[in-house]
Amino acid sequence: KAGVTQTPRYLIKTRGQQVTLSCSPISGHRSVSWYQQTPGQGLQFLFEYFSETQRNKGNFPGRFSGRQFSNSRSEMNVSTLELGDSALYLCASSLAGGSRYNEQFFGPGTRLTVL
Amino acid sequence: AQSVTQPDIHITVSEGASLELRCNYSYGATPYLFWYVQSPGQGLQLLLKYFSGDTLVQGIKGFEAEFKRSQSSFNLRKPSVHWSDAAEYFCAVGSDYKLSFGAGTTVTVRA
Repeated sequence: KAGVTQTPRYLIKTRGQQVTLSCSPISGHRSVSWYQQTPGQGLQFLFEYFSETQRNKGNFPGRFSGRQFSNSRSEMNVSTLELGDSALYLCASSLAGGSRYNEQFFGPGTRLTVL
Repeated sequence: AQSVTQPDIHITVSEGASLELRCNYSYGATPYLFWYVQSPGQGLQLLLKYFSGDTLVQGIKGFEAEFKRSQSSFNLRKPSVHWSDAAEYFCAVGSDYKLSFGAGTTVTVRA
């Protein structure tokens, strides 16, 4: 079974631009979560989607948004990029059963550099 | 709110020696606890998890962890490290459809 895939793997943008990152979950997984990883702040939760609905959101400004499609694929968008948005963005998928938490499987990440 | 503390930022261990990484959590209910490993430039790989039951859990790559509710700890251990174990290790607690991670411990393995 293929793992979580993220595209693109690397991205370079300039301040003020916007960016869209894509995530395809493991087949059969219906939940997709996004995390930001930086040297200063570590791993921080952005948001989680299940059946196209956002169930939880981290403490990030409104410039960060996401969505999930009917095939469970997800995208996250960052508008008006700032230098501090440079980070590794990780996507994770899970089966998302009835429990409020399920084991998550991570993709390789998208490395975003903002110049 | 849930939180995770990993007291050791960096640990250096000799190849063949034992390894223990510390993790303390703060969570009101029975926690879902995880250890992940990240090699440079890679995503996170799940080493092991604790949901309930036996407090000593076995994971991949020869790792194990022990859940101690009285100490709010979930320490990771390996009896004999290999050079390939050099990586960053993250402890995490799961709740409300998300993971809350510790700051991570970088493990260096010397020959």
